[in-house]
Amino acid sequence: DGGITQSPKYLFRKEGQNVTLSCEQNLNHDAMYWYRQDPGQGLRLIYYSQIVNDFQKGDIAEGYSVSREKKESFPLTVTSAQKNPTAFYLCASSIKMADISNQPQHFGDGTRLSIL
Amino acid sequence: GQSLEQPSEVTAVEGAIVQINCTYQTSGFYGLSWYQQHDGGAPTFLSYNGLDGLEETGRFSSFLSRSDSYGYLLLQELQMKDSASYFCAVRGAGSARQLTFGSGTQLTVLP
Repeated sequence: DGGITQSPKYLFRKEGQNVTLSCEQNLNHDAMYWYRQDPGQGLRLIYYSQIVNDFQKGDIAEGYSVSREKKESFPLTVTSAQKNPTAFYLCASSIKMADISNQPQHFGDGTRLSIL
Repeated sequence: GQSLEQPSEVTAVEGAIVQINCTYQTSGFYGLSWYQQHDGGAPTFLSYNGLDGLEETGRFSSFLSRSDSYGYLLLQELQMKDSASYFCAVRGAGSARQLTFGSGTQLTVLP
């Protein structure tokens, strides 16, 4: 079945450490996204990518970095510069992005990141 | 920028009808979407309105009034499994027309 796979499900970060969250999709979607969700809050966009080798900052990109070397993969690195990284991280994809028609996003099951 | 407002919590009983409202302020507008998220899970797409009016998908319907910057999600014949968070989201005027999500409405369905 096609879908989005995020790993790991739970991740712990030590002070000063960078950690990388994996996101893989086999839906053949061009666009991919990373969101952060805090308890009782909505989803906030960290980074997005409309096509391979291109990505753009979202609303809360500081302290995060991404790469898009392959269409199916969009890993997110939470750097030591992100002082409050504890959150639920969701990866999503859609067929394409900059289109006036509906482009529903398909989400992975998320990674829960905590500070040790 | 974009901002969306929706109630934080709604409670209803099994079999009832519930309406979750969403008002938005956005520079540019390319549609209002609704997503459902069960506790700790992946959000799933429910409905989309690009034009004014009502869209129906089974027990769920969604309405949009662009002149009022307002929409709602209507859930009929509520079931226990409908207990979840519901998010409205708008596609705005950015070059990539990315989604901006509301803070979500926690729906609790009581027996």
